[in-house]
Amino acid sequence: NAGVTQTPKFQVLKTGQSMTLQCAQDMNHNSMYWYRQDPGMGLRLIYYSASEGTTDKGEVPNGYNVSRLNKREFSLRLESAAPSQTSVYFCASSTPRSNYGYTFGSGTRLTVV
Amino acid sequence: AQKITQTQPGMFVQEKEAVTLDCTYDTSDPSYGLFWYKQPSSGEMIFLIYQGSYDQQNATEGRYSLNFQKARKSANLVISASQLGDSAMYFCAMRDNTGGFKTIFGAGTRLFVKA
Repeated sequence: NAGVTQTPKFQVLKTGQSMTLQCAQDMNHNSMYWYRQDPGMGLRLIYYSASEGTTDKGEVPNGYNVSRLNKREFSLRLESAAPSQTSVYFCASSTPRSNYGYTFGSGTRLTVV
Repeated sequence: AQKITQTQPGMFVQEKEAVTLDCTYDTSDPSYGLFWYKQPSSGEMIFLIYQGSYDQQNATEGRYSLNFQKARKSANLVISASQLGDSAMYFCAMRDNTGGFKTIFGAGTRLFVKA
């Protein structure tokens, strides 16, 4: 039982490059989320998907896009990376069975130079 | 707007002693959920404990307990009998009950357990 799988684990981009962070869960959860973690700021919500076919902006959506490809997969795209997007990115999923507590992926450490 | 505040950037505790990590929250919603997560130095996020806003009793999970004081809007985490493996970053979080059941996080408290 893999839980939430994020790829890649590490990535270095040059300013202006694009990339997609992949996230997949095998727990049949309806809701999925993307967060970024920066020192001293906790985790901040970028986008979320309450259910398959829906996506909504979170607290810090600028510079990102998402796709809920199916119930399992929720990807995060950086169209033109900026140094301010250097961060650790976490994908998570949740279910009412766990009071919507999160199961997290292992994170992606992204550096934009 | 909802908000989570953790006022202790860092805490030290002696091994085998108890420690309390503070968390206050602000919301106008009557229904919400409160969580604590642990992030070891390896980086993964681990769920520790949950408290619902209507729960009458404080939540407990092994050595973890949540001291829920609704009127004060506080949800402190108590770790009993600290172990060296408890050294980590701890995040308090609050889930709203609007669409998506999304969660906001505090800035975290780094706990150091001394041998």
